[in-house]
Amino acid sequence: QVQLVESGGGVVQPGGSLRLSCAASGFTFSSYGMHWVRQAPGKGLEWVAFIRYDGSNKYYADSVKGRFTISRDNSKNTLYLQMNSLRAEDTAVYYCAKEPYSSSFLNWYFDLWGRGTLVTVSS
Amino acid sequence: QSALTQPASVSGSPGQSITISCTGTSSDVGGYNYVSWYQQHPGKAPKLMIYDVSNRPSGVSNRFSGSKSGNTASLTISGLQAEDEADYYCSSYTSSSTLVFGTGTKVTVL
Repeated sequence: QVQLVESGGGVVQPGGSLRLSCAASGFTFSSYGMHWVRQAPGKGLEWVAFIRYDGSNKYYADSVKGRFTISRDNSKNTLYLQMNSLRAEDTAVYYCAKEPYSSSFLNWYFDLWGRGTLVTVSS
Repeated sequence: QSALTQPASVSGSPGQSITISCTGTSSDVGGYNYVSWYQQHPGKAPKLMIYDVSNRPSGVSNRFSGSKSGNTASLTISGLQAEDEADYYCSSYTSSSTLVFGTGTKVTVL
């Protein structure tokens, strides 16, 4: 079954850290670029970060640059998002999402999404 | 990078056609054909409806179509049905090698 399953969300204090995971199954994870997208409660979607299929290129939204790090372990079919110096405005459901084609060319759209994991930053 | 501008809400009666606009700049929507549209029902993950301005993934109804003119992209839903009631988001690649989403549009079927 082709799917993405996020985990690692929870409640964290401002200034704290959290690492999210996204377990992929049903497709050759190591061949696809992957993204993180978030959605604050009751708000719209916000793109967070991208990592190339082999981890060689990474892009970040300005709002998280320098605080968040995207990475992957292709041997474990898992995508990660390390989040440091968390702020209240980082509170959101975090989705991982897959690029549509197994190539180095970025298509910048997502044909598969996970169900998301909720991160709450609050004291 | 500012979010692309979408109308907050659009409504229509069953069977009617509606169009949702998505306005950006020459650095995103106007500069590239990497515009996509997503449908999101409450509590669910988004679903891809249109990619590369006007292409429809397999399995998506042909009642959904996309287009672009200048810095504005559009999603048209024809033959509106009750199950089309959802939030819709556009997205575009940007000149900064990032992705920007639209502000979102709530579609109501009257």
